[in-house]
Amino acid sequence: DTGVSQNPRHKITKRGQNVTFRCDPISEHNRLYWYRQTLGQGPEFLTYFQNEAQLEKSRLLSDRFSAERPKGSFSTLEIQRTEQGDSAMYLCASSLTTGGAYHEQYFGPGTRLTVT
Amino acid sequence: AQSVAQPEDQVNVAEGNPLTVKCTYSVSGNPYLFWYVQYPNRGLQFLLKYITGDNLVKGSYGFEAEFNKSQTSFHLKKPSALVSDSALYFCAVRGKRMDSSYKLIFGSGTRLLVRP
Repeated sequence: DTGVSQNPRHKITKRGQNVTFRCDPISEHNRLYWYRQTLGQGPEFLTYFQNEAQLEKSRLLSDRFSAERPKGSFSTLEIQRTEQGDSAMYLCASSLTTGGAYHEQYFGPGTRLTVT
Repeated sequence: AQSVAQPEDQVNVAEGNPLTVKCTYSVSGNPYLFWYVQYPNRGLQFLLKYITGDNLVKGSYGFEAEFNKSQTSFHLKKPSALVSDSALYFCAVRGKRMDSSYKLIFGSGTRLLVRP
């Protein structure tokens, strides 16, 4: 399967703990996105990488959140000192942008975080 | 600001009947519009996109969407619904042109229920 993969699929943690999620994009895709989806809502943009550079962060991404894409391949999203309000589905997407052409984003299955 | 609205929380249709899921948008400049589908506990799957050209766009699984500039709408359609089409559908617009991330801005979603 050459789609976007995310691990773990589910994570239950206690408030105050740190968690880290991983995303492996489609191999040739140069853009990688993180979104957050809460129940009954559409996904909301968190941050974006072009290759290894993090070029935009949403104001939703508080100081407790950090994301990396060290070699321009996989990415990690870490949440420190988790709060109950962080409970959500975290979605990763990737796309290929070449020249002036714009291509759709392909999403992974998501990581569902539950903070107790 | 770019935004999309999905006015219906749920659409009910009988199998074999045509279906329409509504979406209206608000953008500055030319819109890049998308439809995604989400099955339970899974990520979003790309259905179709409008970038430019013909107003009727054909996509996966027999779905199509009609772009209407004067009504700022991009409704999703299918001539004959299947029970397996039951899922959550999201309309999305690409961020504004000056926003180089090309992040997607999603509507709140419409649940489609196809009854046998």
